[in-house]
Amino acid sequence: DAGITQSPRHKVTETGTPVTLRCHQTENHRYMYWYRQDPGHGLRLIHYSYGVKDTDKGEVSDGYSVSRSKTEDFLLTLESATSSQTSVYFCAISDGTGSSYEQYFGPGTRLTVT
Amino acid sequence: GQQLNQSPQSMFIQEGEDVSMNCTSSSIFNTWLWYKQDPGEGPVLLIALYKAGELTSNGRLTAQFGITRKDSFLNISASIPSDVGIYFCAGRSITQGGSEKLVFGKGTKLTVNP
Repeated sequence: DAGITQSPRHKVTETGTPVTLRCHQTENHRYMYWYRQDPGHGLRLIHYSYGVKDTDKGEVSDGYSVSRSKTEDFLLTLESATSSQTSVYFCAISDGTGSSYEQYFGPGTRLTVT
Repeated sequence: GQQLNQSPQSMFIQEGEDVSMNCTSSSIFNTWLWYKQDPGEGPVLLIALYKAGELTSNGRLTAQFGITRKDSFLNISASIPSDVGIYFCAGRSITQGGSEKLVFGKGTKLTVNP
């Protein structure tokens, strides 16, 4: 299994509060991704990173920001959580070189915004 | 944006039966990936396909990269109870910035009756 951990694994927060989710990898992979998974929508890309301090938006980036100050850590921040951001969040990593375009996923964080 | 149509949405089969599911798109992809997700866990990569027409097996699983590069299928032979889960296809595309990202199907939920 790829060395990917996510923290916390579960979180309940109130509307309007800031929330930060952390993804940590031990594989030294260049690319890191944040997805959200919702019934009927599958996995949707929020933001991704292609190197330290290099990030870009995915298809559902509104209301989210990210930071990557080290290769191993990729943080997802909800500046002011809303109920529509209740979801399961997955981090993924990829080497992105040669034939290694596979993405490997972490265990997920279940976030509930009340 | 790019979309993948995955079918069927769900399947109910008897143990020992073979299973087939597929993904189609109006867009061309350079890579097709198949994932399985168990409840409460992140998706796990099953098979990766890199060339049009490629047929790849992983145990009882067989997947093919369509000749048109717009579709892929996954077959599971002689299903067993542990095959239960949600299966996702994903196609790889290149962003304008040159980074790779995946587009996911909405999944096929497989139930196997013993």
